[in-house]
Amino acid sequence: QVQLQESGPGLVKPSETLSLSCTVSGGSISTYYWSWIRQPPGKGVEWIGYIYSSGSTNYNPSLKSRVTISVDTSKNRFSLKLSSVAASDTAVYYCARHTRSGWGGLGVWGQGTLVTVSS
Amino acid sequence: QSALTQPASVSGSPGQSITMSCTGTSSDVGGYNYVSWYQQHPGKAPKLIISAVSDRPSGVSNRFSASKSGNTASLTISGLQTEDEADYYCLSYTSSGTLIFGGGTKLTVL
Repeated sequence: QVQLQESGPGLVKPSETLSLSCTVSGGSISTYYWSWIRQPPGKGVEWIGYIYSSGSTNYNPSLKSRVTISVDTSKNRFSLKLSSVAASDTAVYYCARHTRSGWGGLGVWGQGTLVTVSS
Repeated sequence: QSALTQPASVSGSPGQSITMSCTGTSSDVGGYNYVSWYQQHPGKAPKLIISAVSDRPSGVSNRFSASKSGNTASLTISGLQTEDEADYYCLSYTSSGTLIFGGGTKLTVL
């Protein structure tokens, strides 16, 4: 079955850009929507944005000015960039695949990766 | 966009049933049949337990059920078990084409 794996630096300095990738295995990235979600330590989950395999995107309005999500179908992975990070961006970052219908839910999740913003 | 409203906590005894709510607006929960529910145990990724308001994915216990009325969605867990103790989140599609989570509900099985 399809599996997702997040990867990227676990420590990012304030004001720099956080970059993560999500590699999809056991299935194709095509014809699905893919989301990034984050969860600050001890807090609830927050949706960051999604991308369709064709490259169309939509972002959380509160993060839109700092977020870019891209897809590389040749490598079966998609990526997140969050610019101008601050301590409040410290969180576990998850990637997830939407259900086949697109909006039914997030059916498959990665295990998550902790990103700490600190100098 | 503001998070959907969920009670901070609910509790119940083993064998009992509990219901938790997820309240939004006509621009999200009330406007679309695209509410999903997630169970999250400590240190784990959230797990989809209900999709599209009331559909249970394969492998999810039939003790989990859900519905929607107006701007409020509800998740019911029957025959509570100790392993049901977890955080639960709702998620809705919005009129802007975005997604929005609820603040989460901590379920304690007494």
